[in-house]
Order: sequence, then C-alpha cells, then structure tokens
Amino acid sequence: GAVVSQHPSRVICKSGTSVKIECRSLDFQATTMFWYRQFPKQSLMLMATSNEGSKATYEQGVEKDKFLINHASLTLSTLTVTSAHPEDSSFYICSAQKREVDREQFFGPGTRLTVL
Amino acid sequence: RKEVEQDPGPFNVPEGATVAFNCTYSNSASQSFFWYRQDCRKEPKLLMSVYSSGNEDGRFTAQLNRASQYISLLIRDSKLSDSATYLCVVRGGSYIPTFGRGTSLIVHP
Repeated sequence: GAVVSQHPSRVICKSGTSVKIECRSLDFQATTMFWYRQFPKQSLMLMATSNEGSKATYEQGVEKDKFLINHASLTLSTLTVTSAHPEDSSFYICSAQKREVDREQFFGPGTRLTVL
Repeated sequence: RKEVEQDPGPFNVPEGATVAFNCTYSNSASQSFFWYRQDCRKEPKLLMSVYSSGNEDGRFTAQLNRASQYISLLIRDSKLSDSATYLCVVRGGSYIPTFGRGTSLIVHP
C-alpha cells in the first residue's frame, strides 16, 4: 500500500517560535496534498489544499500568513506554523492524493504540536 | 446544516453484536463516499469505499442511498478490536474530501 510519512511526530515548542512539519509520499507521486487539524474529540478540519508547483488553497478562517504551505515536489509538502501560540496546539495530519483515476488519498501518521 | 453529519455516539455494544452507523450529506452532487477508521491519537485509515451498489468486506457492509443522501456502515459480529471512531467521508468533483465528525464505537466483553 501507499505510504505517507510525517515528520516530526511530536513537537513541543515555546510560544512565538515557528514549527515546520514535513509530509512525504514515499512510494507514489501526489499532485495534491491536504493539511488537516484535529482538536480533541473533534473531526478533522481541512486547513488547506496544496498542489505541486502552485499556491495552496486555504479554507475559510485559516490564516495563510500563519500557516505557510509549500509543495515543492510531487512527494513533499511542508506546513510551517509561524509564531505559534498555545491555541495552535493540535494534531496536524497531512494526506497525499494519488494521481491515478481513483485519486485515493493516504494519511500521514500525524504530528502532535504542543505550544507552551 | 453541516455538509456531513454523523451521530457522535458513543455506541456501546457487547462483543458479537451487530451495529450500524448512518451518515448524511448535504451536497447532492457528491460523487464518492468512504468510511475511515480512526484509533485514538492516530491517523485515519481507509476502511472501505462505498459504491452505489453497496459493498461488503467480511463483517463490514457499506451502503449508499443517493435519494435520501446518506451512507451506512454495518458491522456484524463485533470484536473488541473494532472499538474506534468511524469517519464518514464525502467527496465531490473537486476530489476535496469532507469529513464527518465521526461516530465512536466501544465494543465491550
């Protein structure tokens, strides 16, 4: 099956710092990657859709200057949480969508961010 | 009205029971439908796609009712390991998925 990795799996940082999260599709090319955020006992909330070589499309209410997304290649997308605050503490999950017809998507294992 | 709605539960059932979840969606143009399973503090994993004709995979049966705009998941002979949150996912022509809040299932001995 297709594999998506995410790094780091867990990060604790001080308020005001920036954190970069990487999402890689290891054995397939992904023209589209999605970034989600999930708070405890809540559903996954789509933050942005990232297409290789173009600017990400952000969902309403998600600040593009705070959550910087770069999708530089068909196998790598990064999410940078800039000037993190405690309310940014959450579980961030990426998913990568295959190029093939069915466009199946595969999730990374997630990154748990804690901002002190 | 939310795009994808699920009863959050929890559904608390004994081993061996049959349990069913429903999920309603608001966009009649939705094209593909999925059930994902998410364990606590883990990423979602695809359980099964839902086809118009319905599909079955072992103890799991998924059905789609386009007229009433809902999909269902039936789990027969529940196992302790089935305890998880089951997420309904709906996708339109843009291939951007919309997740339901999830239904929590607890299977007890």
